[in-house]
Amino acid sequence: GQSLEQPSEVTAVEGAIVQINCTYQTSGFYGLSWYQQHDGGAPTFLSYNALDGLEETGRFSSFLSRSDSYGYLLLQELQMKDSASYFCALDSNYQLIWGAGTKLIIKP
Amino acid sequence: DVKVTQSSRYLVKRTGEKVFLECVQDMDHENMFWYRQDPGLGLRLIYFSYDVKMKEKGDIPEGYSVSREKKERFSLILESASTNQTSMYLCASSPPLPGQGLEQYFGPGTRLTVT
Repeated sequence: GQSLEQPSEVTAVEGAIVQINCTYQTSGFYGLSWYQQHDGGAPTFLSYNALDGLEETGRFSSFLSRSDSYGYLLLQELQMKDSASYFCALDSNYQLIWGAGTKLIIKP
Repeated sequence: DVKVTQSSRYLVKRTGEKVFLECVQDMDHENMFWYRQDPGLGLRLIYFSYDVKMKEKGDIPEGYSVSREKKERFSLILESASTNQTSMYLCASSPPLPGQGLEQYFGPGTRLTVT
């Protein structure tokens, strides 16, 4: 089957950099996506890696290594509004396979 | 902007009732999805549809059914609600092709409580 693992919670300081890791087991997939969800809100798309390497979108970057079955989301210059849950998800033939999510706590 | 709307934000139903959750999207997307979200479990796929009148079971279809009579509308039906179906239900839609990032657009969610 397919499964993803990510830490349940990460704590960081405002202005700092934080990395949220995602490891997976799968027999095949098209790419790895990242979503952000604020408390009480719906998930929103952040980034997608179809190929190995780093994808940068403003303060957020996402990385994929297929050989290591590993990806991460990097958030720079953390702001209090970045406090949210972050989900990695495998793009697998019409559907996404989701991780359980990482709650990012940001301290001033 | 893509808009996905769900019929209710909050719903309280009694055990044994038949419950209908409606989802409508305005982007002409082929794919639509129903998830439930519970603390610590992430999003679990109940059913999805990649075309009108087509449906596929997800990971947890038991106790649920779906209907897609029109492209823009995807309904989730709880045939006989039970307390273990108390959850947040999220609807999403996406463009048709895998390998395209499959960016999913979510509705605001329906928090269903079954008493």
